[in-house]
Amino acid sequence: DGGITQSPKYLFRKEGQNVTLSCEQNLNHDAMYWYRQDPGQGLRLIYYSQIVNDFQKGDIAEGYSVSREKKESFPLTVTSAQKNPTAFYLCASSVGSATYNEQFFGPGTRLTVL
Amino acid sequence: GQQVMQIPQYQHVQEGEDFTTYCNSSTTLSNIQWYKQRPGGHPVFLIQLVKSGEVKKQKRLTFQFGEAKKNSSLHITATQTTDVGTYFCAGPRAEAGSYQLTFGKGTKLSVIP
Repeated sequence: DGGITQSPKYLFRKEGQNVTLSCEQNLNHDAMYWYRQDPGQGLRLIYYSQIVNDFQKGDIAEGYSVSREKKESFPLTVTSAQKNPTAFYLCASSVGSATYNEQFFGPGTRLTVL
Repeated sequence: GQQVMQIPQYQHVQEGEDFTTYCNSSTTLSNIQWYKQRPGGHPVFLIQLVKSGEVKKQKRLTFQFGEAKKNSSLHITATQTTDVGTYFCAGPRAEAGSYQLTFGKGTKLSVIP
């Protein structure tokens, strides 16, 4: 089955630790995205990548980093510099980066920093 | 910043009642998308509207795009408990060359059986 996988579903970390969230897609999509979702805040874009080896900051990139070394993978690292990292993180992909392409979302990772 | 405003933030309806959520933009949108997120789930694409005044239907769901392409609505007729979830609209950023979608904050629908 084609789709997007994110692992793990739940993640707990101690404050001050970096943590990397996995996102893999087998849809052969060029564009990939990371969103953060907090209650009542909707979806806020962290980073996006239009093509392999290229990515751009979204609205709330501070304290996060990404890489796009392979077309199917777009991992997100939440660094200790992120002041309030506890949130629901969603990865998405689309055929291309044009805004008329629908985005396919993974199941999400719920990160809790203790 | 936020360029797509969505209202209401919450809506509680009795099963069988109708429901409408509205999405408004200060700028003209080339297209608008609607997504649904079930409780504990992830957003799932519902539909895209592109043309001015466009109306699309999916069973009990009716989607409209305003004539000026600055607003959109999603109407659900005779809600069912399966309609529970948060409905998001999303439109392109206004900045030239932007490939980003801006999502509204969503309308959370609760259906009372």
